[in-house]
Amino acid sequence: DAGVTQSPTHLIKTRGQQVTLRCSPKSGHDTVSWYQQALGQGPQFIFQYYEEEERQRGNFPDRFSGHQFPNYSSELNVNALLLGDSALYLCASSLVWGGAGDNEQFFGPGTRLTVL
Amino acid sequence: GEDVEQSLFLSVREGDSSVINCTYTDSSSTYLYWYKQEPGAGLQLLTYIFSNMDMKQDQRLTVLLNKKDKHLSLRIADTQTGDSAIYFCAESLNYGGSQGNLIFGKGTKLSVKP
Repeated sequence: DAGVTQSPTHLIKTRGQQVTLRCSPKSGHDTVSWYQQALGQGPQFIFQYYEEEERQRGNFPDRFSGHQFPNYSSELNVNALLLGDSALYLCASSLVWGGAGDNEQFFGPGTRLTVL
Repeated sequence: GEDVEQSLFLSVREGDSSVINCTYTDSSSTYLYWYKQEPGAGLQLLTYIFSNMDMKQDQRLTVLLNKKDKHLSLRIADTQTGDSAIYFCAESLNYGGSQGNLIFGKGTKLSVKP
C-alpha cells in the first residue's frame, strides 16, 4: 500500500514563473492538505481539498491555488513566484470524517522548491 | 489566536529518556499529533492523541495531555542515536465537526549523544 507520494522531488524556478506540484494521497483517504515549510520553521497550512473543492484556506495569497481530481489526487499551483516562495511543500492526506482509528494525517516526502 | 509553542532544543545521552514539551492555545482542538522530521525528509507521524484522553502509550513513546493547562508532552524511553531529529507538535482544529487543518509548533531539535 503506497503512502502519500509527491512529485517532483526538487524544482528550481526563477522569479515570476509558475509552478505545479502534484500529490497522490494514501489509499483510502479522501482529503488532501498542502503545507509550506520554510527553512527552520514548522509547516504552515495553505489549503485543504475535499470532494474536489477547497474546504479550508490558510493565510496565503491568491497566487496559491489548487485542484483535486476525482481520484483524490491534487495539484498545488503557484503563480508569479517570489524568492520567499522557496520552501519545502508538503502534502498530507487524511479522512476528513474518519472515525476512531482513522484520524491519522500522513505526509508525503515533500517537494523542495527553490526560486532564484 | 491559534499558536503552538515548543522549546527549540533538547540534548540527551543515549539510553536516557527524552521529554519534549508543547503548549497549545485552541481549546477546540480535536487531536494532537507528534511528528518526526529527519534532515531533508518529510514528516513521519509518530503518534497522536484524542483531546479527551490523558495518556497514550505506544512502545517507547508515551504521550501525556493536560487539557486544563493545554500542555502536551512526548516521552521517548531508552533514547537512541537514531532518534536524533526535529520533533513537531501539532493540533488539529475542529472544523464543522470534523478534523480541520493542523497548526504546528516550530519544532524541537533532539540531539542524542553516545
